[in-house]
Amino acid sequence: DAKTTQPNSMESNEEEPVHLPCNHSTISGTDYIHWYRQLPSQGPEYVIHGLTSNVNNRMASLAIAEDRKSSTLILHRATLRDAAVYYCILRDGSNYQLIWGAGTKLIIKP
Amino acid sequence: ETGVTQSPTHLIKTRGQQVTLRCSSQSGHNTVSWYQQALGQGPQFIFQYYREEENGRGNFPPRFSGLQFPNYSSELNVNALELDDSALYLCASSPYGGSDEQFFGPGTRLTVL
Repeated sequence: DAKTTQPNSMESNEEEPVHLPCNHSTISGTDYIHWYRQLPSQGPEYVIHGLTSNVNNRMASLAIAEDRKSSTLILHRATLRDAAVYYCILRDGSNYQLIWGAGTKLIIKP
Repeated sequence: ETGVTQSPTHLIKTRGQQVTLRCSSQSGHNTVSWYQQALGQGPQFIFQYYREEENGRGNFPPRFSGLQFPNYSSELNVNALELDDSALYLCASSPYGGSDEQFFGPGTRLTVL
């Protein structure tokens, strides 16, 4: 199974953009890139996903490298409520399984 | 629209016992996935059920089993509990085989003594 590598933690200031990196050098052509986040004492929450092209939604943007070996989740204007563990996940396109890493703990400073 | 619910919220068992965890999927969702999340780690995929059939399984032994019912709710059963089974068990539902967004419940915290 292809794996992802993320920094253990990151800090950012409130109301500034946040760029969360993810490396997935062994990604296969059928793997989708998903991002979920988990707030303290809650189940994970879907953020965004993509295959090859950059994606935008109301929560975030996903920038995917041309070779697909890395991606970046962009929160355009972080708030204190965005403090969570962010998981970059590869989904096997043939069986819908999500393979999770350890995630990045995002700390937002007021 | 009711979200994904799980019961119980907390559970304490002793080694060797059996446990059943329950999950009600979100309305209109026919796919349920179960995950185990140890403290400080990301969730690990256990298995997925689609229209009452197992539709993929992670690296978990056969003592982890499941069921999905006609109303798409689901159970996770764990036999012969071990200390390492202590974890947060998460259920996620999704429409149409789980291809895109999965909706997670709050989880059941299982402690094995």
